[in-house]
Amino acid sequence: QQPVQSPQAVILREGEDAVINCSSSKALYSVHWYRQKHGEAPVFLMILLKGGEQKGHDKISASFNEKKQQSSLYLTASQLSYSGTYFCGTDNSGAGSYQLTFGKGTKLSVIP
Amino acid sequence: NAGVTQTPKFQVLKTGQSMTLQCAQDMNHNSMYWYRQDPGMGLRLIYYSASEGTTDKGEVPNGYNVSRLNKREFSLRLESAAPSQTSVYFCASFLEGFKVETQYFGPGTRLLVL
Repeated sequence: QQPVQSPQAVILREGEDAVINCSSSKALYSVHWYRQKHGEAPVFLMILLKGGEQKGHDKISASFNEKKQQSSLYLTASQLSYSGTYFCGTDNSGAGSYQLTFGKGTKLSVIP
Repeated sequence: NAGVTQTPKFQVLKTGQSMTLQCAQDMNHNSMYWYRQDPGMGLRLIYYSASEGTTDKGEVPNGYNVSRLNKREFSLRLESAAPSQTSVYFCASFLEGFKVETQYFGPGTRLLVL
C-alpha cells in the first residue's frame, strides 16, 4: 500500500524550514527519501533503517518512528536548490530486497 | 564512471509493437531495478534483480519482461505495447549496505505508445 505524504505542496522563502511527512499503514523496515527536479531523475537523499541507523545527505535530517510507522524529512535554512518534488519510498517487506513503495510526492518550492 | 545509463532517451511506439529498454551500470552494484513514473505519481516498481541471474516481480509487472544479462546490464522488454504503458521509465541500481550516495537512478526513457 502506497505511503501517504504530507503536505502535498509547500512554498517557502529562502532560509525558512520545512517538514515533510511520510506515513505507512504497514510496518516499516526502512524509509528512503529522494528529491526529483522537473524532467530529471530522482536523486537519493537518505535512508533510515529500523533500529535508528540513518545514512545520507549531510545537510538534511530525518526521523523514523517505527511505532507510528512514520518518517519525517527536515529541511532547514532552505535554499533555492532545495526546490523539487520529494518522495518517500518505504520497504514494508523486511526481506532485504528493498522493494520500495513510493508516495505521490511533496512539491517544495523555494522562492527568493 | 558513467553511473547508470539508459537507452533510448525517447521512443514512440504504435500499439502492439515491441521494444527493449536497455540499462547498464558501471558501479559494480548487485541490485538493479526498473520503475515507471506517471504524471503526478510516485515511482512504481516493475521488476527488480537482487543479483546477477535473479529477477523478481514488483508492483506492476504485467506487460513487461526483464533480463539480467550480467552484473552490469538489466533490460526491460515490452512485448506488445499498449497506450497504458506510456510513461517515463527509470532504471536504478544500488549496493547493499547503503553507503552514502550509492543509490543511483538513470536519466530515464520517455515512452509514448500511440
